[in-house]
Amino acid sequence: IAGITQAPTSQILAAGRRMTLRCTQDMRHNAMYWYRQDLGLGLRLIHYSNTAGTTGKGEVPDGYSVSRANTDDFPLTLASAVPSQTSVYFCASSRQGSNTEAFFGQGTRLTVV
Amino acid sequence: GQNIDQPTEMTATEGAIVQINCTYQTSGFNGLFWYQQHAGEAPTFLSYNVLDGLEEKGRFSSFLSRSKGYSYLLLKELQMKDSASYLCAVIDSNYQLIWGAGTKLIIKP
Repeated sequence: IAGITQAPTSQILAAGRRMTLRCTQDMRHNAMYWYRQDLGLGLRLIHYSNTAGTTGKGEVPDGYSVSRANTDDFPLTLASAVPSQTSVYFCASSRQGSNTEAFFGQGTRLTVV
Repeated sequence: GQNIDQPTEMTATEGAIVQINCTYQTSGFNGLFWYQQHAGEAPTFLSYNVLDGLEEKGRFSSFLSRSKGYSYLLLKELQMKDSASYLCAVIDSNYQLIWGAGTKLIIKP
């Protein structure tokens, strides 16, 4: 693994199903983030973690949960998917906080039908 | 509310110069980023400004005026590979990143 990796790269999901998007980084970065990107809108922060063991809510946290059991992994879970969660999801990490360069995963394209 | 404004789309000619503007109204300011995002790919870091003035990095330069809530990204000697979206993002007083919707730059031969 080099950098930050997301899985899956794309997924079609039935509404009401539970889904976990995986994110792993090998840069030993303290901070990690989950964003969603929708056409015509800027990246919107879902949840973040400034260090292992801590998480915080971003701008659009409803319907999503995260955990940060260790430095490398930051999974995002949709408990019961709805069509409005159709989006491209990006995981990112940075060495410290938001004032350091963020490195992004390749994205997960999720379609909820 | 917090707001980042960028033009939605711009067109320029290969070999020319283009300036992409970003204006912001945020609760506080702790820095501004520019990222490049090619279609279907992840954003990648271009520049970071926290003090007023111009930061030059090869063909790309970024300018900041904190008093005017304004930044621009200047791309010189445009190449076809510069066709991408350019994202402006501001760090607010709570150290949260606020993102603009991005400017899609189309380069024509």
